[in-house]
Amino acid sequence: GAVVSQHPSRVICKSGTSVKIECRSLDFQATTMFWYRQFPKQSLMLMATSNEGSKATYEQGVEKDKFLINHASLTLSTLTVTSAHPEDSSFYICSARTMQETQYFGPGTRLLVL
Amino acid sequence: GESVGLHLPTLSVQEGDNSIINCAYSNSASDYFIWYKQESGKGPQFIIDIRSNMDKRQGQRVTVLLNKTVKHLSLQIAATQPGDSAVYFCAEKSAPRGGGNKLTFGTGTQLKVEL
Repeated sequence: GAVVSQHPSRVICKSGTSVKIECRSLDFQATTMFWYRQFPKQSLMLMATSNEGSKATYEQGVEKDKFLINHASLTLSTLTVTSAHPEDSSFYICSARTMQETQYFGPGTRLLVL
Repeated sequence: GESVGLHLPTLSVQEGDNSIINCAYSNSASDYFIWYKQESGKGPQFIIDIRSNMDKRQGQRVTVLLNKTVKHLSLQIAATQPGDSAVYFCAEKSAPRGGGNKLTFGTGTQLKVEL
């Protein structure tokens, strides 16, 4: 299957700082990528849909000014958690959709805000 | 379905037995369903999918059954192996009113394979 990478795999930051997470589709182009958040023992919750060359579409309850998404190319989307706080600590997972509409997921990024 | 809970249902099976993981979905307009496997600390891995015009699809050691009448989806794993231990999520594709489409994940089921 198609490969999606994320960087970093885990990050620890101080409260109030910003963290950027990258999501790349390695062997295919993705006009649409998705960002999910997953808390322990819970399901994946869609945060936003990232569209190449246009603004992201955020799910209800997700602050667009706090979770900045940029999809500058067909293989890269970034999620920046601005002014991170301990409650933002979570597992962030991206996915990229192929032309055939299959979604492939990245390995996830573990964020810990102290 | 779209519900999210703090306690994952757990299914324990003996190695070599068949496993059946169930999922109920809520949107009768959903036309595409996928099963994902997620190992601890990793992203979900695609297992098998099925479109709403089918009621059964088989892969290698896995079978997905779709019952649109009762909005129920199941994943059957034959001859379960220790490497199958993971959390399994069903997902349905829906088309929101604003356009595009997105996946909605079920609660997930923890599969534990006992030796």
